[in-house]
Amino acid sequence: KQEVTQIPAALSVPEGENLVLNCSFTDSAIYNLQWFRQDPGKGLTSLLLIQSSQREQTSGRLNASLDKSSGRSTLYIAASQPGDSATYLCAVLQGGSEKLVFGKGMKLTVNP
Amino acid sequence: KAGVTQTPRYLIKTRGQQVTLSCSPISGHRSVSWYQQTPGQGLQFLFEYFSETQRNKGNFPGRFSGRQFSNSRSEMNVSTLELGDSALYLCASSLLENTEAFFGQGTRLTVV
Repeated sequence: KQEVTQIPAALSVPEGENLVLNCSFTDSAIYNLQWFRQDPGKGLTSLLLIQSSQREQTSGRLNASLDKSSGRSTLYIAASQPGDSATYLCAVLQGGSEKLVFGKGMKLTVNP
Repeated sequence: KAGVTQTPRYLIKTRGQQVTLSCSPISGHRSVSWYQQTPGQGLQFLFEYFSETQRNKGNFPGRFSGRQFSNSRSEMNVSTLELGDSALYLCASSLLENTEAFFGQGTRLTVV
């Protein structure tokens, strides 16, 4: 059974710091991995999608990497801003099941 | 381009009642998935539809059901509501299987 873990559960940093968010998964048989952002009481906003054959994806200040063999992904946020404050979730699309398996998320607070 | 639309945004129901939630996917998307989000369990997969066929179902009781119409719009139904069904219900759409998932704003269901 696929399990996705995000540690730590919460992080508070001053504005301007470069951040690394971690995600680990137990079963490497995935189609892709997606990073999402969720603001309080809202839906999920897709940030980056990495296919299983890819190692890295970039969008603006965000960079995500995937190491399928070790079951790890990282989301790098450069020069963090207060507007980056949200909960960040990673999810893997499990092979053969058409379902996303989510981590519990990491709540990020960027202080001005 | 319109995103995923979920209606209603908020619902308050009484135990024992039933409820129907609606999801309109992004135009052209054929895959629709439903997830339940609670503080304790996080995001859990309910079911996934592709071209009107349910392809996968999560570990939820039979009180939870869904369907997809020929225009890809989907509905989920919960019968005999319990207090524990209170949650944010999220719908996601994808162009095809194994592609990027886009989420709606969710329906907040409160059972009293």
